[in-house]
Amino acid sequence: KQEVTQIPAALSVPEGENLVLNCSFTDSAIYNLQWFRQDPGKGLTSLLLIQSSQREQTSGRLNASLDKSSGRSTLYIAASQPGDSATYLCAVDRRNTPLVFGKGTRLSVIA
Amino acid sequence: DAGVIQSPRHEVTEMGQEVTLRCKPISGHDYLFWYRQTMMRGLELLIYFNNNVPIDDSGMPEDRFSAKMPNASFSTLKIQPSEPRDSAVYFCASSGLAGGSSYEQYFGPGTRLTVT
Repeated sequence: KQEVTQIPAALSVPEGENLVLNCSFTDSAIYNLQWFRQDPGKGLTSLLLIQSSQREQTSGRLNASLDKSSGRSTLYIAASQPGDSATYLCAVDRRNTPLVFGKGTRLSVIA
Repeated sequence: DAGVIQSPRHEVTEMGQEVTLRCKPISGHDYLFWYRQTMMRGLELLIYFNNNVPIDDSGMPEDRFSAKMPNASFSTLKIQPSEPRDSAVYFCASSGLAGGSSYEQYFGPGTRLTVT
């Protein structure tokens, strides 16, 4: 059974810092890995999707990498801003199967 | 496309009442997923459909929960009778080849259910 772990559970950083969020999964036979953002009381915003054949994806200040063989992904946020404060969720699936989510990392960026 | 549409966005009901949550997937998608998010357990799958047929309902907590997909553009999740422990945010998501080869899942805004 696939399990997804995100470390740390919470993170507080000063504005402007570069940071890394970690995600690990137990079964490397995945099809997609997605990173989501969730603001308090809100829905899920998809940030980046990495297919199993890819090693990384970039969007603006965000860069996500995937090492399928070791069961790890990282989300790198450059030059963090207070507006980046949210919970970040990592999820994996096999093709056309449900996503398995981690518990998330709650990020606070202090001005 | 308007994305995945869920209704209602918020529902407050009393214990014992019937609750029906609704979802309209993205046109052309042939997979539909229902997830539930709680503080204790995070986001978990309840049930998913392919071409309107339920594939895996092992996440449905008990017989009080039922889900249907009568056609490709509509699904319901029903709780009868509702209990306070059903209070959670319920998300619907859809995916398919219409979204490209990635089969990315697109999420609706969720329904926040409160059972008092």
